[in-house]
Amino acid sequence: NAGVTQTPKFQVLKTGQSMTLQCAQDMNHNSMYWYRQDPGMGLRLIYYSASEGTTDKGEVPNGYNVSRLNKREFSLRLESAAPSQTSVYFCASSEGWDEQFFGPGTRLTVL
Amino acid sequence: AQRVTQPEKLLSVFKGAPVELKCNYSYSGSPELFWYVQYSRQRLQLLLRHISRESIKGFTADLNKGETFFHLKKPFAQEEDSAMYYCEGSIYNQGGKLIFGQGTELSVKP
Repeated sequence: NAGVTQTPKFQVLKTGQSMTLQCAQDMNHNSMYWYRQDPGMGLRLIYYSASEGTTDKGEVPNGYNVSRLNKREFSLRLESAAPSQTSVYFCASSEGWDEQFFGPGTRLTVL
Repeated sequence: AQRVTQPEKLLSVFKGAPVELKCNYSYSGSPELFWYVQYSRQRLQLLLRHISRESIKGFTADLNKGETFFHLKKPFAQEEDSAMYYCEGSIYNQGGKLIFGQGTELSVKP
């Protein structure tokens, strides 16, 4: 089992460009999450999906959109990237509110 | 407001010394609490959860509901314990109440 996978691993964007971060899990988990990790700020929840077909805002949703494409996949979209969105993005999945399994992360730089 | 606070950004100890990473929480309900660890160039992984009351890699963490803290302890630190540690709280059946602390970097020196 691959667990949680994310693509791409690295990305550099110019201000105003758009992109989609992809996440997939093969553990048949209902819940999936997107976090951003910034120095001194820890992990902050952007969006989550408690089950297929549902999504909800987390702590820092502004500037992002998500799609729960099916049970396996949960994508994060930046419509118009800003330098403040430079961060490391982690996807995670869990069964209910139990242990979360994390992906390897995507390092995004917005110039 | 729901809050998980790790007051120390960096904790530096010598090998063999005791370690205590602090986690204070403020929740309106009864949260489930977890410790996650991120070793260099690796993904975050679960270290401990309070309901299991187990010891992993020599670490323990007891939930103190009266004082609302969930500190992570190890009696004798090892160099391989050097990593980022995150405390996390979540409440069942309350969507969005997943909160991570700011993280504490543990550095164990030889």
